Amino acid sequence: QSALTQPPSASGSPGQSVAISCTGTSSDVGAYKYVSWFQQHPGKAPKLIIYEVTERPSGVPDRFSGSKSGNTASLTVSGLQAEDDADYYCSSYAGNNNLVFGGGTKLTVL
Amino acid sequence: QVQLVESGGGVVQPGGSLRLSCAASGFTFNRYGLHWVRQAPGKGLEWVTYIQNDGSKKFYGDSVKGRFTISRDNSKNTLYLQMNSLRVEDTAIYYCGRDKFGWVVEYWGQGTLVTVSS
Repeated sequence: QSALTQPPSASGSPGQSVAISCTGTSSDVGAYKYVSWFQQHPGKAPKLIIYEVTERPSGVPDRFSGSKSGNTASLTVSGLQAEDDADYYCSSYAGNNNLVFGGGTKLTVL
Repeated sequence: QVQLVESGGGVVQPGGSLRLSCAASGFTFNRYGLHWVRQAPGKGLEWVTYIQNDGSKKFYGDSVKGRFTISRDNSKNTLYLQMNSLRVEDTAIYYCGRDKFGWVVEYWGQGTLVTVSS
């Protein structure tokens, strides 16, 4: 199974919005609602911030939102804050009992 | 609260074996599927394997199929990963994770580092 495609980097100033894309195929992102997003700070474990394309776990700020169109999912972070500076990964169920992750995007808050 | 604590990592030679453990607490262990996910140094996340709540079904990523075995002991609230025929490219932090009923890794442990080197 091939990794999902994410841009290596993204950036924005405090208060701005930034979107991170996650492109797969009709066999993974395009086929299932099981797209998730994770935030990872240096030296820490990943943290789930979006699941099932658009759902937020309790405690995750509503500044984080998810969407999907065709084979591409997106994470939007609105009202950027300094603590949003982190790596972000998407994942998708890929059928045949497989889970695939994206290569990760480093978000820099300028 | 949900806690997952991995252990058993270390340095091993290529071709060697290692068994990782993940001790769980804060939830009803036998109700949830569990994953192992790894992250090579400076690299992205890679799904390794999944086991159903009762241990009856197990699934593996292509890169570890035939070499790694996932198992669990529901009486001890513990997940295991037996790693055989280790390769240099298996070097990574290994995280255990609890599933959220649908191929979503909801909670993550802090990880344990496995280094395969001669």
